[in-house]
Amino acid sequence: GNSVTQMEGPVTLSEEAFLTINCTYTATGYPSLFWYVQYPGEGLQLLLKATKADDKGSNKGFEATYRKETTSFHLEKGSVQVSDSAVYFCALWKTGANNLFFGTGTRLTVIP
Amino acid sequence: EAGVVQSPRYKIIEKKQPVAFWCNPISGHNTLYWYRQNLGQGPELLIRYENEEAVDDSQLPKDRFSAERLKGVDSTLKIQPAELGDSAVYLCASSLAPTSGGYNEQFFGPGTRLTVL
Repeated sequence: GNSVTQMEGPVTLSEEAFLTINCTYTATGYPSLFWYVQYPGEGLQLLLKATKADDKGSNKGFEATYRKETTSFHLEKGSVQVSDSAVYFCALWKTGANNLFFGTGTRLTVIP
Repeated sequence: EAGVVQSPRYKIIEKKQPVAFWCNPISGHNTLYWYRQNLGQGPELLIRYENEEAVDDSQLPKDRFSAERLKGVDSTLKIQPAELGDSAVYLCASSLAPTSGGYNEQFFGPGTRLTVL
């Protein structure tokens, strides 16, 4: 079936530290991959996406590369800010299922 | 442009009571989704509508959950009777209709946090 396994949190970093949140997936064929972010008190927002192997999604300094050989889509940011504190969800979309499959989420806290 | 609107934001009820959640999607979005997000988990799809038709309700516990989307715009999700295990955040999302199975970005509302005592 389709599933996403995400690095468990919570993750606490100091401002300007490097961030990696691991995500691996299980799916047949070629799913599209996403990172969603949920800021406190707000709804889920699409952060970035990649629709085929070797694509790199990027937004707001965050990046993730679709690696088919390792079935991974790890989220990275070179220098986190306090405003990046949120819960991050990895997700996949499988054509035909017409449904998003989410990981369990990783809570990131950035301290000044 | 207004986003997805949900109400209420919070609801506390006793078990066996009924409860209803309301969602107003982004104007022009044909597809509407209801998700349930348990504590510490990612959202899981309950039901998906294309206009007023429920095209995927395979994960909806039909013995106690029901949903409707009259006129293909607003939607209501109901639980009757509620159980302790129904405590969760109920998320509504909307998108343009998928084209050839492709993904159209889903826009999420802030959710309704349900607590069943």
